[in-house]
Amino acid sequence: AQRVTQPEKLLSVFKGAPVELKCNYSYSGSPELFWYVQYSRQRLQLLLRHISRESIKGFTADLNKGETSFHLKKPFAQEEDSAMYYCALRVAPLIKAAGNKLTFGGGTRVLVKP
Amino acid sequence: SQTIHQWPATLVQPVGSPLSLECTVEGTSNPNLYWYRQAAGRGLQLLFYSVGIGQISSEVPQNLSASRPQDRQFILSSKKLLLSDSGFYLCAWSYSGNTIYFGEGSWLTVV
Repeated sequence: AQRVTQPEKLLSVFKGAPVELKCNYSYSGSPELFWYVQYSRQRLQLLLRHISRESIKGFTADLNKGETSFHLKKPFAQEEDSAMYYCALRVAPLIKAAGNKLTFGGGTRVLVKP
Repeated sequence: SQTIHQWPATLVQPVGSPLSLECTVEGTSNPNLYWYRQAAGRGLQLLFYSVGIGQISSEVPQNLSASRPQDRQFILSSKKLLLSDSGFYLCAWSYSGNTIYFGEGSWLTVV
């Protein structure tokens, strides 16, 4: 069975400092990796996915299959980045009848201090 | 556009009482539906998912059950709540599988 690990429960950084949220996974096949974010009093929402290879709100994440990692990075943290971040994995290929379930890590709370 | 709603938002129930959390999706048909739980100090755990009416898959053994009486309705239930059932429950949906969308969440405190 697949597993997602986020080793840091809390990351506290100052505004303007770089931030990196670690995510490691275990799965024998080819997974899809995602980062979800939950801002205060808002719904959990998709931040980015590895297949898009895009930067959202200054965040990037690279899938490293050799290290089975999908760390989330931002070079200059902003106060509005304070939130709960979840790394998630989905087994490929997508088959609706199989459920297309997401397996989440434990989450990392990011606090950006002024 | 598609929307997802779940209720109630907050619930305080005594041990041994029943539970019913409801979730509805609008603007799509035949979605995959999910119930996740976030317990204190833990991540999001998938409890149930459904790929169609009446089709329920359970991910973990527990005191809860789920039902899908209609295409866009997903219900989480318990006959007798335990203290360990306390947590934050999230309903979610997807269709093509590209993105999973989450509801607002329901806080359940069992006392």
